[in-house]
Amino acid sequence: AQTVTQSQPEMSVQEAETVTLSCTYDTSESDYYLFWYKQPPSRQMILVIRQEAYKQQNATENRFSVNFQKAAKSFSLKISDSQLGDAAMYFCAYRNPSGGGADGLTFGKGTHLIIQP
Amino acid sequence: GAGVSQSPSNKVTEKGKDVELRCDPISGHTALYWYRQSLGQGLEFLIYFQGNSAPDKSGLPSDRFSAERTGGSVSTLTIQRTQQEDSAVYLCASSLAWGVSNQPQHFGDGTRLSIL
Repeated sequence: AQTVTQSQPEMSVQEAETVTLSCTYDTSESDYYLFWYKQPPSRQMILVIRQEAYKQQNATENRFSVNFQKAAKSFSLKISDSQLGDAAMYFCAYRNPSGGGADGLTFGKGTHLIIQP
Repeated sequence: GAGVSQSPSNKVTEKGKDVELRCDPISGHTALYWYRQSLGQGLEFLIYFQGNSAPDKSGLPSDRFSAERTGGSVSTLTIQRTQQEDSAVYLCASSLAWGVSNQPQHFGDGTRLSIL
């Protein structure tokens, strides 16, 4: 079974600075999908960014980018120019494509990101 | 509505009672998922529907849990004879069916279930 590990239960960063959240995963598959979700206190899980394993180029979405290291099975999230609205729980998630959707997402335990004004 | 809608937002009930949680997916999304989020277990995948069909129910925690979906839209998650360990936030998500695995899942706000 796949596992996702987020080793940082909590991270703190000054507003306008850059922070990197770590994620590692374990899989025997060669093709899969990786996601970062944000969960503010409102509870809704919001997709931040996604990466297809077969793509070598790291995904970027405005201030959010990933460092995808397939050989190391690492998928870190970098948030540039941190804003107060970025404060939330961040979850790294893995998806195996071979299940056709039936296996859902496997989530890490999450990292609580605090933004210091 | 524009997003995934879940009801009720919060539910408090006594141990032993049955509860029914509802999820209304984004219009046009035929794939629907249920997850459970608890302090001890993090986020667990429970069950997936493609249309009205759930190909694998092995993720449901016990036989007290059941889920159904009718008309390819609204889904209900039912927990019978609730136990205190069922207390959690139950999240529903939906996605487009085409190329299911690479489609992002859109989540609702969840139902916070508290068992007294």
